[in-house]
Formats: sequence, structure tokens, C-alpha cells
Amino acid sequence: DVKVTQSSRYLVKRTGEKVFLECVQDMDHENMFWYRQDPGLGLRLIYFSYDVKMKEKGDIPEGYSVSREKKERFSLILESASTNQTSMYLCASSRLGQVRSGNTIYFGEGSWLTVV
Amino acid sequence: SQELEQSPQSLIVQEGKNLTINCTSSKTLYGLYWYKQKYGEGLIFLMMLQKGGEEKSHEKITAKLDEKKQQSSLHITASQPSHAGIYLCGADRTGNQFYFGTGTSLTVIP
Repeated sequence: DVKVTQSSRYLVKRTGEKVFLECVQDMDHENMFWYRQDPGLGLRLIYFSYDVKMKEKGDIPEGYSVSREKKERFSLILESASTNQTSMYLCASSRLGQVRSGNTIYFGEGSWLTVV
Repeated sequence: SQELEQSPQSLIVQEGKNLTINCTSSKTLYGLYWYKQKYGEGLIFLMMLQKGGEEKSHEKITAKLDEKKQQSSLHITASQPSHAGIYLCGADRTGNQFYFGTGTSLTVIP
């Protein structure tokens, strides 16, 4: 079974802190994604990566950065956490290509971040 | 505005009742995912529809894709408390970006 593992399930950070959210997948997938999920807004794409050291902005990249130094690991970085970044963060991975090619996206369990 | 609109936003049904969730796209659909999410947890893949007119079933859940209407529906027959959760539809844009609807929250009353 494909496994996407997010390192922290629950975090509480202070405003202004630098926050790292780590994600590891074990299926040699090219694509990795970071979403945030908020009530009434659904899942919104923050960043995605289709290869090592490659990244593309999603719909809401402001206030975030990412790092992909190894194929299996994709990190989301909040340079200076703010209260409006309190949310559920979901990491996902898939093979390169689109749903038309039969690719499935696999999700991690999610990380609940509270910024106080 | 959302590219994928789900309806209804929430649903409360009595155990044993049938229900349908719809997902409508503002753009042409070339394929669509359905996921289920238990509250506070990650997304569990249910099924993927790749072609217009395609219909797939898994246990008591059936999904159809109508590309002409840019719509997909998810139907649950004889609902059970284990079906409770948030159902999300997802699709791809160009390249490798995937986006999702706002979700439908389902509560099943025993």
C-alpha cells in the first residue's frame, strides 16, 4: 500500500515562529502536493512539486515556501507563522500525469496547526 | 468562485436511506476523483472516473461521470453510520495540478 506520512499530527506554534511541516511518501511518486483545508473553503493548493528541486505555486502560496531535496520528501515552510495560517494541512503524492492516465492521488493523515 | 461545486453542502439522513451527492465543474471534465474524509483525518480514495458515461461501484457506493454535463454524482444505497464523513470530488487542471470541491458533509442517524 502507498503510504504518505506527515511527521506531525498536531502542532501549536507562536506568531512569528518558523514552522516546518514534513511529508514523506514511499511509492517513488514524482508529484507531491501541499494543501490546506478550511471550513467552507475546501482544499486549496499551496504548492506542488513534480520533481526534485522543482516547485510550482498553487492557488494560495503567499506566506509559504517549500523544499524538495529528495524525491520522497516534500516540506512546507511557514517563514513567520501568523494566526490566519491556523488550519489543517494535507500532503499528497501521485505519479506524474493526470487522472486521464489513471493516476490516483494519495493523501497523508493531515497536520493540524494552531498559531497563537 | 470554485471550479468544482458540490451539492448539497451538508446532508443528514436516517440509516437505511439512499442519498446522492453532486459535483459540477465550471470547465470540461476529463476525469474525476471521489474521496471520503473522516473528520479530522486524511482523505481516503474511493474511486476514479476517467471517461464520460463511466460508472463505478464499491460496496454500496456508486459514482457516475457525465462529461457533457460536466458533472459527476455519488450515490449511496442503504446508508450506514460508517458512511458518515466528508465527501470530496477532485479533478485535474492542466499539467499536474489537482483541485477539489468544497466537500459534502454527511451525517447518518442510526
